[in-house]
Amino acid sequence: DAKTTQPPSMDCAEGRAANLPCNHSTISGNEYVYWYRQIHSQGPQYIIHGLKNNETNEMASLIITEDRKSSTLILPHATLRDTAVYYCIVSYRYSGNTPLVFGKGTRLSVIA
Amino acid sequence: GAVVSQHPSWVICKSGTSVKIECRSLDFQATTMFWYRQFPKQSLMLMATSNEGSKATYEQGVEKDKFLINHASLTLSTLTVTSAHPEDSSFYICSAREGGGGNEQFFGPGTRLTVL
Repeated sequence: DAKTTQPPSMDCAEGRAANLPCNHSTISGNEYVYWYRQIHSQGPQYIIHGLKNNETNEMASLIITEDRKSSTLILPHATLRDTAVYYCIVSYRYSGNTPLVFGKGTRLSVIA
Repeated sequence: GAVVSQHPSWVICKSGTSVKIECRSLDFQATTMFWYRQFPKQSLMLMATSNEGSKATYEQGVEKDKFLINHASLTLSTLTVTSAHPEDSSFYICSAREGGGGNEQFFGPGTRLTVL
């Protein structure tokens, strides 16, 4: 079973920041937080991951709370092409056979 | 990021026939590959995990004789749906992880299977 809780859907105005929350209160010390997204009828796309510190890349920023029980994915300037289902996943990183387990995710709709 | 391809992107077949789906890692060697399926408006469900040169490990409820997985090389895994039926119609997605275990899981674009 997925170990994360996300809101089922969110709307965001184009050009504004999209902040997607995720609760993972049972995360263990060695588990990472991963974010993927799935645009309609495509395979999931990797966005970002982190352990403790906040992370930023060309796609997004990941803010992890100090107790690691929740995190927020930030898309700084959402565009229509960011409309997708966003999945927050916790998983051990250094275990090659451990697959990512997907929950229901958050359906983000970016509105013009 | 690493690229994973799938072929075909969509397939329509008659009930009772078998369908093979290929998954390739294009620019890295994948020691571990995963197969998922996704029904409409649902999340991805893991079907099986395969390691190069070994038998696949299937999730509970997934029939290994119906969904044959072969991971014969470090860049290719195949999923064969044998004697397909309409209830097997789904979106099948493969994923690959580079050797070393510390790398991210990259996903293929998916294959839409429709069984008539």
